[in-house]
Amino acid sequence: NAGVTQTPKFQVLKTGQSMTLQCAQDMNHNSMYWYRQDPGMGLRLIYYSASEGTTDKGEVPNGYNVSRLNKREFSLRLESAAPSQTSVYFCASKRDSGTGWAQYFGPGTRLTVL
Amino acid sequence: AQSVTQLDSQVPVFEEAPVELRCNYSSSVSVYLFWYVQYPNQGLQLLLKYLSGSTLVESINGFEAEFNKSQTSFHLRKPSVHISDTAEYFCAVSQETSGSRLTFGEGTQLTVNP
Repeated sequence: NAGVTQTPKFQVLKTGQSMTLQCAQDMNHNSMYWYRQDPGMGLRLIYYSASEGTTDKGEVPNGYNVSRLNKREFSLRLESAAPSQTSVYFCASKRDSGTGWAQYFGPGTRLTVL
Repeated sequence: AQSVTQLDSQVPVFEEAPVELRCNYSSSVSVYLFWYVQYPNQGLQLLLKYLSGSTLVESINGFEAEFNKSQTSFHLRKPSVHISDTAEYFCAVSQETSGSRLTFGEGTQLTVNP
């Protein structure tokens, strides 16, 4: 049981390049999330998916797209990276029934855009 | 809209001393409150939560938090800290009964010194 996994762990991009961050969970959770973490700003929600086939914008969606490929996987795509997107990106998942209140986080992807 | 303010960005303490990490929130409706902890180079983990009932909630590792509706606060306390408690702590709120959409505070870095 690996929990939430993210790839890659580190990435350096040049301005204008594109890339996809991958996230997978093996806990059969319905909800999945993408956050970015910046110093002094906590975590901010980029997009989330309440179930397979649905996605919704969070607080800071501009410059990003997401795909909920199936129940396990939720990817985040940067079409044209900008230095302002330098951040640590976390994926999380959550069970939505019973007492499933906790969001479970992956280890993060540290992205630098030059 | 909801917001969270963590009043201290860094809290240094000595081992076995008591500690309080302060969190205030703003919301026009009822909220559900959470504390998450992030150890170095890891994702966030749920520490404790307030949903309803007793305003004092406890974690398995000795932390406790008290929901104070009149002061709109949810401060985190521990009577005696250990070196292993060194981490960043995030307060978060949700207006949804499912706890799906969280708004995080900026984080407080707790450093426990020998």
